[in-house]
Amino acid sequence: RKEVEQDPGPFNVPEGATVAFNCTYSNSASQSFFWYRQDCRKEPKLLMSVYSSGNEDGRFTAQLNRASQYISLLIRDSKLSDSATYLCVVNDGLTGGGNKLTFGTGTQLKVEL
Amino acid sequence: DAGVTQSPTHLIKTRGQQVTLRCSPKSGHDTVSWYQQALGQGPQFIFQYYEEEERQRGNFPDRFSGHQFPNYSSELNVNALLLGDSALYLCASSKLSGTVTDTQYFGPGTRLTVL
Repeated sequence: RKEVEQDPGPFNVPEGATVAFNCTYSNSASQSFFWYRQDCRKEPKLLMSVYSSGNEDGRFTAQLNRASQYISLLIRDSKLSDSATYLCVVNDGLTGGGNKLTFGTGTQLKVEL
Repeated sequence: DAGVTQSPTHLIKTRGQQVTLRCSPKSGHDTVSWYQQALGQGPQFIFQYYEEEERQRGNFPDRFSGHQFPNYSSELNVNALLLGDSALYLCASSKLSGTVTDTQYFGPGTRLTVL
C-alpha cells in the first residue's frame, strides 16, 4: 500500500465548477498535513496546511480526518488559473527534529471554458 | 528576499557518469532536504541535512550522497548514473526551531537527463 494515495485524475471541469480531491495516508503517527500545488515543469508550492478543525482560504477548503486517515481539498468557483497538479503531502517527523515530506502522486486538474 | 535557488537548471549526462547538484536555502533557513521527482510521480524524499550532517535518508542507494556547508547551502552527488536517475531533483529549505521544523519551501529544481 502506498504511504499517500490520491486519484491521479485528470479532473476536467468547467469554469465555475466545484471540485473535490481526496487523499488517504497510511502512517497514523504522521504529524502534519498539507496540499501543495505544482504547475507543469515547476516546483511544488504550498497551497495550504490542513487541520482537523478544517480550514478555509478563499475558494479553497481543506479538511483532515485523523481517525480515517483521510484528507480532502475542495475548490469552489474554479478558475482557469486553478489548472495544475494538486499534491497531498504528509509530514512525518524525524527523530530529534526535522521532518520528511511524503507526497502522493498528485491529482491533475484541468479547468476549461 | 531570495528564495531557494538551485543550479544548474538542466543537465545531460551519460550512464556511469557522476553529477553534482547545488542548492542555496532561503534566507534564515538552516535545514535542506532533497527530493527526486520522476515523470508522473510525486517527489520522493532522498535525505535531509542540518548542522552539516545527514539527519535521515529515504529509500535511496549509497550512490546518492550529499553535503551541507557552514553557510547552509548543500550539494547532492549521484555516482554511477543509471537511466532511471533521470528526474527533476528538488531542494527544499526550512527552519528548525527546537524539535519542530517549519514549512519546507522548494527551489525550481534541476532537471537531470541520463542518456
